[in-house]
Amino acid sequence: GAGVSQTPSNKVTEKGKYVELRCDPISGHTALYWYRQSLGQGPEFLIYFQGTGAADDSGLPNDRFFAVRPEGSVSTLKIQRTERGDSAVYLCASGMGNSQETQYFGPGTRLLVL
Amino acid sequence: AQTVTQSQPEMSVQEAETVTLSCTYDTSENNYYLFWYKQPPSRQMILVIRQEAYKQQNATENRFSVNFQKAAKSFSLKISDSQLGDTAMYFCAFMKHLAGETSGSRLTFGEGTQLTVNP
Repeated sequence: GAGVSQTPSNKVTEKGKYVELRCDPISGHTALYWYRQSLGQGPEFLIYFQGTGAADDSGLPNDRFFAVRPEGSVSTLKIQRTERGDSAVYLCASGMGNSQETQYFGPGTRLLVL
Repeated sequence: AQTVTQSQPEMSVQEAETVTLSCTYDTSENNYYLFWYKQPPSRQMILVIRQEAYKQQNATENRFSVNFQKAAKSFSLKISDSQLGDTAMYFCAFMKHLAGETSGSRLTFGEGTQLTVNP
């Protein structure tokens, strides 16, 4: 596609539920990033994929968070046993995956955990 | 670890005037990139300008220019002839350069500056 797309745009769930957030990167981009942006703050890194593999998952806050990219294109961020503190905007970005890349962002998914 | 600091939570400017947003960063790296992103209420993070640390010349993109002071670890954004559409949250971001052809790298963001352009 022309840009990075993310679905859903908004997600409301109840504490303890499982959610999946989807990211569709720019065609041909091998690098894919997930960031989390809490209200009034800058985005914080969660995980980076190069192709199908997670090259850096050091930003995942705990083992309730998991992400996959099975075919090297679309990625899904999965959150188990959601907590109210997980409420945030989850941003996805993609890039060429080289040492000089610029990251291009999607519109984000706003997650609200009640 | 890298840190990025934006000391101005909010700024305002009159339409057609010039405004400068401040950013400082801390790193022990010598090779890196710096970015300014704009985030309007739509949440879409839009690249405004980027600077390679090895380049002494300041980057410019139309009405947007930077003042990059590597020794001082300062990276300010100047917006000339401000327009109403420039109203947004602006984030300064740092990216470490990693050697290798297939090495992306995470962005480290500041906390942002909310810019309002008044008519």
